[in-house]
Amino acid sequence: NAGVTQTPKFQVLKTGQSMTLQCAQDMNHEYMSWYRQDPGMGLRLIHYSVGAGITDQGEVPNGYNVSRSTTEDFPLRLLSAAPSQTSVYFCASRSGTGPNQPQHFGDGTRLSIL
Amino acid sequence: GDSVTQMEGPVTLSEEAFLTINCTYTATGYPSLFWYVQYPGEGLQLLLKATKADDKGSNKGFEATYRKETTSFHLEKGSVQVSDSAVYFCALSDPTGGGNKLTFGTGTQLKVEL
Repeated sequence: NAGVTQTPKFQVLKTGQSMTLQCAQDMNHEYMSWYRQDPGMGLRLIHYSVGAGITDQGEVPNGYNVSRSTTEDFPLRLLSAAPSQTSVYFCASRSGTGPNQPQHFGDGTRLSIL
Repeated sequence: GDSVTQMEGPVTLSEEAFLTINCTYTATGYPSLFWYVQYPGEGLQLLLKATKADDKGSNKGFEATYRKETTSFHLEKGSVQVSDSAVYFCALSDPTGGGNKLTFGTGTQLKVEL
C-alpha cells in the first residue's frame, strides 16, 4: 500500500520558471491538502480539497494553484517561481469522515528557487 | 485564530531519560489534538491523538493527555531511546472551521545520545 506519493523528491528552479508538484494517494481519501514547511514556522496550509472538483485556499495560498479532477490526484502548481517559495512541500490526505481523523503525509518535495 | 505553542528545541537527552515536550493551544471550538513525528528525510507520521477532554493518547511508549482546563497536550515518554531522535510536532484540528486545517506548532527537535 503506497499511501501518499509525492514527486519529485528534489527540484531546483530558476526565478520565474513554472512547475507542478505531483501528489497521488491510493486510500480513496476525500480530503487532500498541501503544506509548506519552513524553519522555525512549522507547517502551513497552502490549499486543500474536500473532494474531486472542490478546492479552497489555506493560510498561504498566494503564488500557488491547485485543481482536483480525480479523487487520487492533487497537483500543486507554481506559475512563476520566486525565491520565497524555497521550502519543503508536503501533501497529505485523510478520510472525509471528520476532523478527528489523522492526516497521512507524503515524504515531501524539497524545492529550491534560485 | 487557532494557534499551537511548543517548547523550543533542540532537546538533548541521554538514553533511558524521561521526556516531556510541552504543548499548549488556543482554539475557537473543541479541537482534536495530535502529535506527529518526523524522522530525517521523511514526512510526518501520526504518533498519537486525543479527541476530547481528559482523553489520553498513547503509542510506542509515548503518552499525552488532553487537558482542557490548562489547554495543554504535553508529550511524555518514560525512557527514551536513540531511535526516538526526531522532530515532534503538536497540532490541532478545529471542527469549528470544518476540520479542514491542521494548525501546527513549530516543532521540537529531540536528540537522544548513548
